[in-house]
Amino acid sequence: KAGVTQTPRYLIKTRGQQVTLSCSPISGHRSVSWYQQTPGQGLQFLFEYFSETQRNKGNFPGRFSGRQFSNSRSEMNVSTLELGDSALYLCASSFQGYEQYFGPGTRLTVT
Amino acid sequence: GNSVTQMEGPVTLSEEAFLTINCTYTATGYPSLFWYVQYPGEGLQLLLKATKADDKGSNKGFEATYRKETTSFHLEKGSVQVSDSAVYFCALSDRNSGSRLTFGEGTQLTVNP
Repeated sequence: KAGVTQTPRYLIKTRGQQVTLSCSPISGHRSVSWYQQTPGQGLQFLFEYFSETQRNKGNFPGRFSGRQFSNSRSEMNVSTLELGDSALYLCASSFQGYEQYFGPGTRLTVT
Repeated sequence: GNSVTQMEGPVTLSEEAFLTINCTYTATGYPSLFWYVQYPGEGLQLLLKATKADDKGSNKGFEATYRKETTSFHLEKGSVQVSDSAVYFCALSDRNSGSRLTFGEGTQLTVNP
């Protein structure tokens, strides 16, 4: 089985711009979660989608949003980028939310 | 709320040394516990898991036992290799938080030949 894939792997954006990251889960997995990883804050949960519905949400501002499509693929959007949004964004998929499998991440740099 | 605390790092060992990385947790209810490993430039890989008290998770020579009485899930390996050099994360999830994982700070392990 193919693993979780994330695109793009690297991204450089300017403050004030917006960005969309994509995640394709393992075939058959219906749950997709997003995490932000930074040296200062560690790994923090952004949100989870299950069957196209947001099921859980972390403590991030409304500039961070996501969605899930009928094929379980998910996108994450960050609007009005700030320097502090520079991070590794990780996507994880699971069958029903228990055992999660992570993708390689998207490294976002905001200048 | 839930929280996970890992031993302060980094940890540097010689090849074939014994490894222990401490992990303690605070959670409401009965969490499931996990160890993930992250190699440079990569995402997280699930290393092992335990879902109830006294369960022992094991994989690739690594072991961890779910100790409810001490709220701990310490990672151990009897003989580390250079290839084990990575960052190790302890994490938990519980039914109240769904699939949301709460992670510890991570412990950088370096194994020298």
